[in-house]
Amino acid sequence: EAQVTQNPRYLITVTGKKLTVTCSQNMNHEYMSWYRQDPGLGLRQIYYSMNVEVTDKGDVPEGYKVSRKEKRNFPLILESPSPNQTSLYFCASSFDGSNQPQHFGDGTRLSIL
Amino acid sequence: DQQVKQNSPSLSVQEGRISILNCDYTNSMFDYFLWYKKYPAEGPTFLISISSIKDKNEDGRFTVFLNKSAKHLSLHIVPSQPGDSAVYFCAAPTNTGNQFYFGTGTSLTVIP
Repeated sequence: EAQVTQNPRYLITVTGKKLTVTCSQNMNHEYMSWYRQDPGLGLRQIYYSMNVEVTDKGDVPEGYKVSRKEKRNFPLILESPSPNQTSLYFCASSFDGSNQPQHFGDGTRLSIL
Repeated sequence: DQQVKQNSPSLSVQEGRISILNCDYTNSMFDYFLWYKKYPAEGPTFLISISSIKDKNEDGRFTVFLNKSAKHLSLHIVPSQPGDSAVYFCAAPTNTGNQFYFGTGTSLTVIP
């Protein structure tokens, strides 16, 4: 089954404690991306990757890091999480970016205390 | 700066009637638009798209209309069904196709 898998689905943690949210896709997609969803703000893009070792900033990259060492994986790293990063996060992938529809994971709800 | 806007946070419609969801954009360079549907506790799923070379695209009960001069698009669902109750997002990629802008979403409730 074609899917984008995120882990964990839920996480409560404390300010400053480094965390990683993993994302994996099994569709051999070139393009992967991270979004956060906040009330009244919709989905905002954090980072995206066009291919292995190619990453770029989206609209709200501050406080986040990503890496793309393998085609299927695109982890989101919060080196020093802060309460304003409490949000619902989605990973997505598509064949090659451009106008291709993206497949989304089911989301990771992060609470930073 | 919100480049894609959905000014109606919510909409309620009777089953069988038409649902019209609206989306406005500010960037005249956008030339492709997508609609996604999102159920609670799930990720968004692609619904329908439209290229700026068209003014209408239809897929079953779903039709998207694009008015480039007004920088406005709308999603029509006819007839609306209870299973259509979800949050709908419009989205647009930049002309390089790499960066995406989403609207704030409209929560549709279809009343049986």
